[in-house]
Amino acid sequence: DTEVTQTPKHLVMGMTNKKSLKCEQHMGHRAMYWYKQKAKKPPELMFVYSYEKLSINESVPSRFSPECPNSSLLNLHLHALQPEDSALYLCASSQGTGHNSPLHFGNGTRLTVT
Amino acid sequence: KNQVEQSPQSLIILEGKNCTLQCNYTVSPFSNLRWYKQDTGRGPVSLTIMTFSENTKSNGRYTATLDADTKQSSLHITASQLSDSASYICVVTPNNNNDMRFGAGTRLTVKP
Repeated sequence: DTEVTQTPKHLVMGMTNKKSLKCEQHMGHRAMYWYKQKAKKPPELMFVYSYEKLSINESVPSRFSPECPNSSLLNLHLHALQPEDSALYLCASSQGTGHNSPLHFGNGTRLTVT
Repeated sequence: KNQVEQSPQSLIILEGKNCTLQCNYTVSPFSNLRWYKQDTGRGPVSLTIMTFSENTKSNGRYTATLDADTKQSSLHITASQLSDSASYICVVTPNNNNDMRFGAGTRLTVKP
C-alpha cells in the first residue's frame, strides 16, 4: 500500500456541486503536489506546496482551489467543474523540492463530472 | 514538443518472455531519470532512479540502463509475469529544479 493516502477513491459530482479531495502523508515530507491524469496520458502537474505554502500553480482554472492545512494534509476544493475535468487526480509528496527528491504518489481519486 | 519520448506506445507479450521499453529525452541539463510503474487506476510507483553517472540499475526483474551521451534509457523486464501488466512511465528531472518531465508511458500487457 502507498504511504500517501487519498480519499475518496471515486467521486461523481454534478457541475453545480462543491466537493473536496483529500490527501494525507505521514512521512515528514515537506512538499506536496496535485496532478491530473487523463486516460492513457502522463500525469500533469497542477499545484506544488512547499513547507505549506503554494509555490507552483500551473495556470489551473480557479474552479480548482488547493489548500494545505498543515504539513501532512493537502486538499483540493472543487466547484463548478466541467465534464472535461473528469480524470484521475493524483496527490504526491517528496522530502523537498530539490531535484533529487523522488515523488511518492497516492492511488488517486477517480473523478467523474456529470 | 514533449522532452521525453517513450516507445513503443503499447506492447503485448506472453508470460515468461522478456521485453525492453525505450525512453529518449532532450531535457538538459539533466539530473536524474526515473522509471515508474503505474497499475490501472493506481498511482505511479518508482522502480529505479539513475543519475548522470550511472549506466545501469536493477530492481529485481527490472533493469534500467542509461546512456547520457545519446540521451537514451531503456527498461528491460525479464521473465515477465501477468502482474507486470501496467503503464511504465519515464520521468526526467532537470539539473536545476524539480520540474519533472513525464513521458507518455508504454502500456505493457502480459498475456498467459
